[in-house]
Amino acid sequence: AQSVTQLGSHVSVSEGALVLLRCNYSSSVPPYLFWYVQYPNQGLQLLLKYTSAATLVKGINGFEAEFKKSETSFHLTKPSAHMSDAAEYFCAVSDRMDTGRRALTFGSGTRLQVQP
Amino acid sequence: GAGVSQSPRYKVAKRGQDVALRCDPISGHVSLFWYQQALGQGPEFLTYFQNEAQLDKSGLPSDRFFAERPEGSVSTLKIQRTQQEDSAVYLCASSLAEGIYNEQFFGPGTRLTVL
Repeated sequence: AQSVTQLGSHVSVSEGALVLLRCNYSSSVPPYLFWYVQYPNQGLQLLLKYTSAATLVKGINGFEAEFKKSETSFHLTKPSAHMSDAAEYFCAVSDRMDTGRRALTFGSGTRLQVQP
Repeated sequence: GAGVSQSPRYKVAKRGQDVALRCDPISGHVSLFWYQQALGQGPEFLTYFQNEAQLDKSGLPSDRFFAERPEGSVSTLKIQRTQQEDSAVYLCASSLAEGIYNEQFFGPGTRLTVL
């Protein structure tokens, strides 16, 4: 079964500082990988996705993530944090389409705080 | 509407009561998913439909949980004889079945509190 590990349940950065949220997956075959953001009392919004095209994926709101097969990682970064980035971030993994399994497996989430 | 909608947004139930949670997927999306998100945790998969067929229900925690999608559009998640451990946010998501990746669009969730 797929699993996702997000290191650090809480990350605090200053406004304007680099954001780095870590995600590692367990799979011998590179799966599809996703980052979602969740604001309070709202559903999850897709930030970006990796589907085996480019290893560096750019998403919305200035976020990007790099797929590193050798490290089984898919860390999320943003060069300069904004106050509006404060939210919960989830990394998720999905099996390939040919497996027939469609469920997403989520990490436990990282809460990002942005200090003024 | 353009997105996935869920109702009610909040539900309080007494232990032992039955509840029904509704999901309206994005129009044209044939795949529909239910997830359970406990406080402070990531969502966990419950069940998956393609049109009206329930293709995966491996995540349903007990036989008290039942989901249906009789006409391949709206779905209902029913929980019988609710227990306190059922308290969570229940998220619905939908996706296009034939996409090259499994991008799921999520609704705002229903927060269930069992007293």
